[in-house]
Amino acid sequence: AQSVTQPDIHITVSEGASLELRCNYSYGATPYLFWYVQSPGQGLQLLLKYFSGDTLVQGIKGFEAEFKRSQSSFNLRKPSVHWSDAAEYFCAVGARGGGLTFGKGTHLIIQP
Amino acid sequence: GAGVSQSPSNKVTEKGKDVELRCDPISGHTALYWYRQSLGQGLEFLIYFQGNSAPDKSGLPSDRFSAERTGGSVSTLTIQRTQQEDSAVYLCASSSQTGVNTEAFFGQGTRLTVV
Repeated sequence: AQSVTQPDIHITVSEGASLELRCNYSYGATPYLFWYVQSPGQGLQLLLKYFSGDTLVQGIKGFEAEFKRSQSSFNLRKPSVHWSDAAEYFCAVGARGGGLTFGKGTHLIIQP
Repeated sequence: GAGVSQSPSNKVTEKGKDVELRCDPISGHTALYWYRQSLGQGLEFLIYFQGNSAPDKSGLPSDRFSAERTGGSVSTLTIQRTQQEDSAVYLCASSSQTGVNTEAFFGQGTRLTVV
């Protein structure tokens, strides 16, 4: 069965600093990987996705993620965070039948 | 509509009562998903509909939970004899085609509180 682990429940970053959110997955075949963001009181919004090809994928809002098969990881990065990036971030792996399996999320706090 | 619409946005119910949660997917989307988001638990897959195929119910936590999708569009998630542990945000998502390599668009969710 597929699974996703986001080892950091909370992360605090100063505004303007770089960010890396960790995601590890377990999947029996070539994974399809996603990062979603959930701002307070909002629904989930897709940041980026990886299906195949270039292992470094670019997303919206200046985010990027790198797929590393050898490490079963798909970490999310941003060079310089803004206060508006404070939110809950979810990593997900595509499952058979189309359903997505999500990690438990990482809560990002931005310090002034 | 422009996005996935869920109603009601908030629901408070007494323990033991039945509740129905509604999801209107994006027009033309053939796939529809229900997830449950509990505090600190991430998103839990509940059920998946694709067109007229039999739904994937593997995520439903008990036989108190059921869902249907009428006419390949609107879906209703029903929870019978609600329990306090059913309190959560229930999220609906839709996508334009089946398979893992498609983007799911999420609604705002229904916050269910069982008292």
